[in-house]
Amino acid sequence: SQQGEEDPQALSIQEGENATMNCSYKTSINNLQWYRQNSGRGLVHLILIRSNEREKHSGRLRVTLDTSKKSSSLLITASRAADTASYFCATDAGNAGNMLTFGGGTRLMVKP
Amino acid sequence: DGGITQSPKYLFRKEGQNVTLSCEQNLNHDAMYWYRQDPGQGLRLIYYSQIVNDFQKGDIAEGYSVSREKKESFPLTVTSAQKNPTAFYLCASSIFFGGPATWGEQFFGPGTRLTVL
Repeated sequence: SQQGEEDPQALSIQEGENATMNCSYKTSINNLQWYRQNSGRGLVHLILIRSNEREKHSGRLRVTLDTSKKSSSLLITASRAADTASYFCATDAGNAGNMLTFGGGTRLMVKP
Repeated sequence: DGGITQSPKYLFRKEGQNVTLSCEQNLNHDAMYWYRQDPGQGLRLIYYSQIVNDFQKGDIAEGYSVSREKKESFPLTVTSAQKNPTAFYLCASSIFFGGPATWGEQFFGPGTRLTVL
């Protein structure tokens, strides 16, 4: 079952613009994580935000979490062509073993 | 891709064959996971293991089997019972810091692309 749903499914922007991706989920969570995947490769962890946090920054990344709306957003500022990838949100509902439930991803293309 | 290796990178299987995908980590992580990814889709959990000699089914365990005889190794066997095994398979691991809700982020291997001929 997929708990997280990303929106939009695909996003195309020019280099230098900001990219915003949204994630909605259904059940209560311990934390929400964002991962990046380059085509045909493994996933790379970007940022983790806990359920008691509302905003988190890491370099050009800004993540927000609204537990009342069960939604999160990932903002990439001043995008670069190298940011072209798929971005996934994953929710940790606090089950044993750190089980994550992934959304379907947003495919971001940044045009030079 | 951290300290997780998966082999082979590409694997071809004939109908009715069992195949085993390798996953090794040198991060001393407690938990390991197997995911399946279909084209244009997110990841779905097949199996996970928190400690040696113990593993649990994920959302789509049917047609797959695993073992965890060593902390650093978590091989996945795709059996002939898996009707549609063509997919990209990803292995991951994470560390346990202790206490409730204190698992670390998941580190992923580079993946194995399995194709049924």
